[in-house]
Amino acid sequence: QKEVEQNSGPLSVPEGAIASLNCTYSDRGSQSFFWYRQYSGKSPELIMFIYSNGDKEDGRFTAQLNKASQYVSLLIRDSQPSDSATYLCAVTRAAGNKLTFGGGTRVLVKP
Amino acid sequence: DTEVTQTPKHLVMGMTNKKSLKCEQHMGHRAMYWYKQKAKKPPELMFVYSYEKLSINESVPSRFSPECPNSSLLNLHLHALQPEDSALYLCASSQDFSRDTQYFGPGTRLTVL
Repeated sequence: QKEVEQNSGPLSVPEGAIASLNCTYSDRGSQSFFWYRQYSGKSPELIMFIYSNGDKEDGRFTAQLNKASQYVSLLIRDSQPSDSATYLCAVTRAAGNKLTFGGGTRVLVKP
Repeated sequence: DTEVTQTPKHLVMGMTNKKSLKCEQHMGHRAMYWYKQKAKKPPELMFVYSYEKLSINESVPSRFSPECPNSSLLNLHLHALQPEDSALYLCASSQDFSRDTQYFGPGTRLTVL
């Protein structure tokens, strides 16, 4: 079992719809959770981070964390073609800041 | 400002060459990281420096040699690389080596011939 798992996609969504991305992790000691967006050939760009159970909203993005079920999700509302990218889920343990990445979900927003 | 800069943007080198990748940040961050990313794969951690000391070496071959001259700079010295070392090399930094957000630089695209 991989430490951090994501559906590789592609997740195809029409413009204006909600894109829902999921990520599960195996280490119950995980404390910090991050979503990065990566365009093809570019470096990862931080979108959201979340530490506590529940929802966290930032503009069109909402991160949801459920530590009991060991999953973290990302919702993208009003999806735009510019949101087409690979979204990386990353997790760190309490001690140290070693990011463990999932394989990424490729999102394709169609006009 | 959350900017991490990396030079060069692109590098082509032969297997007998010696080259260096450079990374710089002026955010006062005390932890800096080197990652390697192959196509369609997530970044893989190579090295972590915390307060200018090497904290983590993820069993990286000795042909990769990191250096942290000061709190703002991170170098990766390359020598006798193999074609399979061709990848995007990413530098990142964070406030410190605890649970803190890592910010990535734009990367160096390395091709080994």
